[in-house]
Amino acid sequence: AQSVTQPDIHITVSEGASLELRCNYSYGATPYLFWYVQSPGQGLQLLLKYFSGDTLVQGIKGFEAEFKRSQSSFNLRKPSVHWSDAAEYFCAVGEANTGGFKTIFGAGTRLFVKA
Amino acid sequence: NAGVTQTPKFQVLKTGQSMTLQCAQDMNHEYMSWYRQDPGMGLRLIHYSVGAGITDQGEVPNGYNVSRSTTEDFPLRLLSAAPSQTSVYFCASSLRWSSPGEQYFGPGTRLTVT
Repeated sequence: AQSVTQPDIHITVSEGASLELRCNYSYGATPYLFWYVQSPGQGLQLLLKYFSGDTLVQGIKGFEAEFKRSQSSFNLRKPSVHWSDAAEYFCAVGEANTGGFKTIFGAGTRLFVKA
Repeated sequence: NAGVTQTPKFQVLKTGQSMTLQCAQDMNHEYMSWYRQDPGMGLRLIHYSVGAGITDQGEVPNGYNVSRSTTEDFPLRLLSAAPSQTSVYFCASSLRWSSPGEQYFGPGTRLTVT
């Protein structure tokens, strides 16, 4: 069965510094990969997704992620973090089967931004 | 266009009580799902539906029932609440059940069972 691992429970970065959030997945075929963000007290919002093609994908709010098949990774990056980026970030992998499309989420990484 | 709406926002139940969490979407999405979110565990799929009249179990279905009589509504029923069901519940929808795509999430229901 597919799974998603986010090794870092929480990360603290300074405002203006670069950010990389790690995500590793386990899936036999080419995966459908997603990053979602959850602000406090809110639902989840899609940042970006990878289905096929260019392995570097751009998302909203200046985020990007790179799919590396050899490492089974889909790390999220941002060159310069803003205080408003403080939130929880979830990596997810999608699976299509006869019963429908299912999404499996990682445990999340909480990002703290210090001034 | 309201997107995905959930009611109530907060709820406190006593052990053994039953209740229904409401979820509605106005985007004509085929696929709807319920997740629970617990600290350190991400989101876990409870039940999902690929269309009106069709539902199926996810990872953690025990203690929950669902039905989907219309495209718009997908209520989640707790039959006899237990403290282990204390959690934040999210409803989500996406356009097509058979293909990958963005899921749109509701704002969540925070449930406490005492």
